[in-house]
Amino acid sequence: QQQVKQSPQSLIVQKGGISIINCAYENTAFDYFPWYQQFPGKGPALLIAIRPDVSEKKEGRFTISFNKSAKQFSLHIMDSQPGDSATYFCAARGRDDKIIFGKGTRLHILP
Amino acid sequence: NAGVTQTPKFRVLKTGQSMTLLCAQDMNHEYMYWYRQDPGMGLRLIHYSVGEGTTAKGEVPDGYNVSRLKKQNFLLGLESAAPSQTSVYFCASSYASRRGYTFGSGTRLTVV
Repeated sequence: QQQVKQSPQSLIVQKGGISIINCAYENTAFDYFPWYQQFPGKGPALLIAIRPDVSEKKEGRFTISFNKSAKQFSLHIMDSQPGDSATYFCAARGRDDKIIFGKGTRLHILP
Repeated sequence: NAGVTQTPKFRVLKTGQSMTLLCAQDMNHEYMYWYRQDPGMGLRLIHYSVGEGTTAKGEVPDGYNVSRLKKQNFLLGLESAAPSQTSVYFCASSYASRRGYTFGSGTRLTVV
């Protein structure tokens, strides 16, 4: 039972373009939505996170958009750079202290 | 500052063998987690702990056991390894509920 659905599985974007990764969830008890970035051979690292009482959060080139009524949230990477090439995971955390991850999106930025 | 340290980094086991993966954190975090990562499956929670002496099951606990005897350490045990347990295992910790995790660099386990 997958509680966080992530799309697309892979994404290729030209340098300077906008990368968009989407996630949807079912459990309305989720109250914390982080995004993680993972480079090959490394552990995931927290990139940015949002709580459901906020519709958007921006940190540098990274923005989370959150639609509570649709139970969807997305990551936008503006001015995408080759160094952004990595696997991105959306996630959701419930009151039981567990974070459930999406299956990941492999992003490749063309130079 | 080491953060979250996992040992070993690589291991090859024969079917039926046992082993223990060690996770150590030096951030005084209460919460610790074990995940496994498989291609196309994302990160799946095996077991977790919300404090010293406590453990709880995650999504895929079968075939694994854990212990949290000391706050800074979280051990993951495989009593009788199976090829289906070939994976990359990540440990993570967090200061409190509703906070992001700090992950270790992973243990790549192959069971032949």
